[in-house]
Amino acid sequence: GESVGLHLPTLSVQEGDNSIINCAYSNSASDYFIWYKQESGKGPQFIIDIRSNMDKRQGQRVTVLLNKTVKHLSLQIAATQPGDSAVYFCAENTSGTYKYIFGTGTRLKVLA
Amino acid sequence: DTAVSQTPKYLVTQMGNDKSIKCEQNLGHDTMYWYKQDSKKFLKIMFSYNNKELIINETVPNRFSPKSPDKAHLNLHINSLELGDSAVYFCASSQDPRSGEQFFGPGTRLTVL
Repeated sequence: GESVGLHLPTLSVQEGDNSIINCAYSNSASDYFIWYKQESGKGPQFIIDIRSNMDKRQGQRVTVLLNKTVKHLSLQIAATQPGDSAVYFCAENTSGTYKYIFGTGTRLKVLA
Repeated sequence: DTAVSQTPKYLVTQMGNDKSIKCEQNLGHDTMYWYKQDSKKFLKIMFSYNNKELIINETVPNRFSPKSPDKAHLNLHINSLELGDSAVYFCASSQDPRSGEQFFGPGTRLTVL
């Protein structure tokens, strides 16, 4: 089912360290996943996606890991920078449907 | 040039009023969306249009009516505004309905008093 409104979890990370943001998705039929970044006062911005036939995908400084067995997705950010401070959302989709279901989001705070 | 633009950015109005939010994209995309983000940052799809045809119509009060005059525009009209309608409304577009890479506008913060 869909997530209901929950308290937004926060992850605080020291600048330069690696960040790992987790997401538990709800639908075992979901086969396409996306991470979005939302900075304060702005709309969400696409970061990286992954299909269910993969368990890892790398971008620039970011890596997404997918564990279908436990319905878990993670976003790893290497060498976290102040500009990475934002709310991060995972979204899931099932082939044949057009709807993307967004997770509750995680706030990432980068400490100087 | 702004890829996805929305007007107005802020909207403050009284309960019972009718208001519209406009959205335009200059990316040449076929698909456009309206999302609602509540105070806890929860982001939920409301509507989606592909080539001016409605393809997603979530469980939204019928006081909300989207209109797509052409592929580049998707407006949202809200009748008889209620306190619970206060939220940030985001417009987005994508190349096609199956593309997960959606481009979001800056949002419209609606406050109903």
